[in-house]
Amino acid sequence: DIVMTQSPDSLAVSLGERATINCKSSQSVLWSSNNKNYLTWFQQKPGQPPKLLISWASTRESGVPDRFSGSGSGTDFTLTISSLQAEDVAVYYCQQYYSAPYTFGQGTKLEIK
Amino acid sequence: EVQLVESGGGLVQPGGSLRLSCAASGFTFSNYWMSWVRQAPGKGLEWVAHIRHDGGERYYVDSVEGRFTISRDNAKNSLYLQVNALRADDTAVYYCARDRRLWDFWGQGTLVTVSS
Repeated sequence: DIVMTQSPDSLAVSLGERATINCKSSQSVLWSSNNKNYLTWFQQKPGQPPKLLISWASTRESGVPDRFSGSGSGTDFTLTISSLQAEDVAVYYCQQYYSAPYTFGQGTKLEIK
Repeated sequence: EVQLVESGGGLVQPGGSLRLSCAASGFTFSNYWMSWVRQAPGKGLEWVAHIRHDGGERYYVDSVEGRFTISRDNAKNSLYLQVNALRADDTAVYYCARDRRLWDFWGQGTLVTVSS
């Protein structure tokens, strides 16, 4: 199984500042045949299901504010929120969909400082 | 508008069974793989199983293999998860999600509590 490890486990950032969450996979999730990274980022607010933010490591989903961006390739990935807003308080998960079982990181809890 | 509505959760004793359902609308259900993902209280997300659009392929996480069965009825736009031999560590909110090799729409979930 591919193990996904996020860092940090929790993060407190001031409003308007940058937030960075890292995700590392135990093996590459880059599919060589199409040069795509099978890596998504989800946002989950209390009492709600996860919301897909970023697919293919860096493609923002429709309706997701452009302050959210994803980067990385192979085994190392980053979710960046360029200017933190109050509504961004949530738990963020990375997930690989390269191979079953489709594993998630343990989550990063983002709070306002 | 895509909608996924789960039902069938509840309190069950260890060793018991439940059948979870997910009613889909707003998209052509028969064209998509579908997944079940669960989340234990206060914990992270765990993919449980998925099923091909025609039901011809099914895959499970090892911890539920042989105890859970995913199925679908495309005529009814419905996804199911038969959960048997339940254990305390199966206690979770179970979500269904549309699966196009990424999980773009999720239901609100149904809570399964395994306790005596």
